[in-house]
Amino acid sequence: AQSVTQPDIHITVSEGASLELRCNYSYGATPYLFWYVQSPGQGLQLLLKYFSGDTLVQGIKGFEAEFKRSQSSFNLRKPSVHWSDAAEYFCAVGGIQGAQKLVFGQGTRLTINP
Amino acid sequence: SAVISQKPSRDICQRGTSLTIQCQVDSQVTMMFWYRQQPGQSLTLIATANQGSEATYESGFVIDKFPISRPNLTFSTLTVSNMSPEDSSIYLCSVGLQRGLTDTQYFGPGTRLTVL
Repeated sequence: AQSVTQPDIHITVSEGASLELRCNYSYGATPYLFWYVQSPGQGLQLLLKYFSGDTLVQGIKGFEAEFKRSQSSFNLRKPSVHWSDAAEYFCAVGGIQGAQKLVFGQGTRLTINP
Repeated sequence: SAVISQKPSRDICQRGTSLTIQCQVDSQVTMMFWYRQQPGQSLTLIATANQGSEATYESGFVIDKFPISRPNLTFSTLTVSNMSPEDSSIYLCSVGLQRGLTDTQYFGPGTRLTVL
């Protein structure tokens, strides 16, 4: 069965600093990987996804993520964070059926210092 | 993506009562899902809402507690029955849309439920 680990429960960065949120997955085949963001009191918004091809994927709001099969990782990055990026970030993995049966990580709460 | 709405956006209920949550999509979709997000936790899939047939429940969730309806391709309801404080959560619906090679899930804004 697939699983997702987000090792960092809470991260604080200064506005303008770079950001990397970690995500490690467990799945026997090529996974379908997603990053979602949840702002306070909101639903989940899709940031980006990886299915195949180029291992560096670009998303919305200036985010990118890199799929590394050898490390079973799909880390999310942003070169310069904005105060509006403060939110909860979830990594998710889907199996052979794609987006069906998504398994989510525990989430990483991002705080931005002014 | 699709425009997904949920009603109510939040509610406070007494234990022992039931609440029905509605999910409406602005286009016809084959796949609809219901998730629970307990306080400070991640999302857990409750069930897949199948149009024209019974929902498919995940381990740990049963139809008597979480009955689901899917009368058409744009609408679904989730009922939380005989509620207890442990049912206090955010309940989210999502839809699966074909984007490129495979499907991607898009989420509604959620229903925040507090059970007293």
